[in-house]
Amino acid sequence: KNEVEQSPQNLTAQEGEFITINCSYSVGISALHWLQQHPGGGIVSLFMLSSGKKKHGRLIATINIQEKHSSLHITASHPRDSAVYICAVRFGRSTDKLIFGTGTRLQVFP
Amino acid sequence: DAGVTQSPTHLIKTRGQHVTLRCSPISGHKSVSWYQQVLGQGPQFIFQYYEKEERGRGNFPDRFSARQFPNYSSELNVNALLLGDSALYLCASSWGTGMNTEAFFGQGTRLTVV
Repeated sequence: KNEVEQSPQNLTAQEGEFITINCSYSVGISALHWLQQHPGGGIVSLFMLSSGKKKHGRLIATINIQEKHSSLHITASHPRDSAVYICAVRFGRSTDKLIFGTGTRLQVFP
Repeated sequence: DAGVTQSPTHLIKTRGQHVTLRCSPISGHKSVSWYQQVLGQGPQFIFQYYEKEERGRGNFPDRFSARQFPNYSSELNVNALLLGDSALYLCASSWGTGMNTEAFFGQGTRLTVV
């Protein structure tokens, strides 16, 4: 069964802290997405990875294909980073179907 | 450029009724996927359409159906609504299909069945 697991489920931090959210998956994938969801529902795509590392502002995403593991890092966290962060993977090369993790709820306090 | 737009944003229906949700993809995008997100869980794949043809179907009953129009917009239809159909329904569009295509999500339609 294709599965995606995230940890931790909930995370609280003080403003300025370095944040790491982890994602593990069960079988080989063609792509992995990191997404952000704010209260109210809308999902914003942060990164799409198939190998290596990507950086955008204070956000960094890495993926280790051999270990079937990805991490999302937030440097110098800020209260506006408070949201649910979701990892989603595409297992096949010919399908766009995404399998989602259950998300990590992040709260950053001033 | 407008992003993925979904309508309506909120909807309340009674058990047994049917509902139609609409999605307009980003201009130039030919693939639309639908997801259901029940409160507290991650989204679950319902359908994918590409170039007006169904490319994938998730584990949902036949009460759920969808279609894609020549302008690549899409409708999701749910018949004989159950309380358990209450969820956020998300639409995602991408320019093509396959491993290197990035999905862009709409704000969702929150459906409440009473």
